[in-house]
Amino acid sequence: SQQGEEDPQALSIQEGENATMNCSYKTSINNLQWYRQNSGRGLVHLILIRSNEREKHSGRLRVTLDTSKKSSSLLITASRAADTASYFCATDDYKLSFGAGTTVTVRA
Amino acid sequence: DAGVIQSPRHEVTEMGQEVTLRCKPISGHDYLFWYRQTMMRGLELLIYFNNNVPIDDSGMPEDRFSAKMPNASFSTLKIQPSEPRDSAVYFCASSLPGTSDNEQFFGPGTRLTVL
Repeated sequence: SQQGEEDPQALSIQEGENATMNCSYKTSINNLQWYRQNSGRGLVHLILIRSNEREKHSGRLRVTLDTSKKSSSLLITASRAADTASYFCATDDYKLSFGAGTTVTVRA
Repeated sequence: DAGVIQSPRHEVTEMGQEVTLRCKPISGHDYLFWYRQTMMRGLELLIYFNNNVPIDDSGMPEDRFSAKMPNASFSTLKIQPSEPRDSAVYFCASSLPGTSDNEQFFGPGTRLTVL
């Protein structure tokens, strides 16, 4: 069964705008990871946030984690066409459980 | 490093045929994962190995699927006999837990079509 569930399923934004997507999960976690998948490619790791962290930044990415609500959010600032991809959250250390993903389309 | 290597990239076969997918993990990684991705079911973990030993195969759909890892640099996923519902993209990933972000590195995938 899938642990992480992303929301929304799809998102379309204009280049330069910010994109925000959310992830909810069911059980306690040690960490939560976000991955990106470009069309026809494998997944690429973006960022990991540990259960004792509340916010983490990496370049134009900002991830938050609220363990009381069992939710995380991924914010992509100043989006570019190259950010067009599907984004997945995944929980646990070795045996990652992926959600269905959020498909982001950045319009030029 | 070349990353995780998978072959073939595309496979088209007929129902009932045996299919073998291959994976070479990143050198030094001691975990190897096989995933299946479809539109209907998303990304599913099929099986994973640690130091060449299968740890959890609870995601393997049925006895038609089998996976082996004879050494640290090679793994296979076999489907025998194949069925049209096996059509999917199969990904292999490897990781080295204990590194800073415990990330999994994915191969490019094998797109399998069973007619």
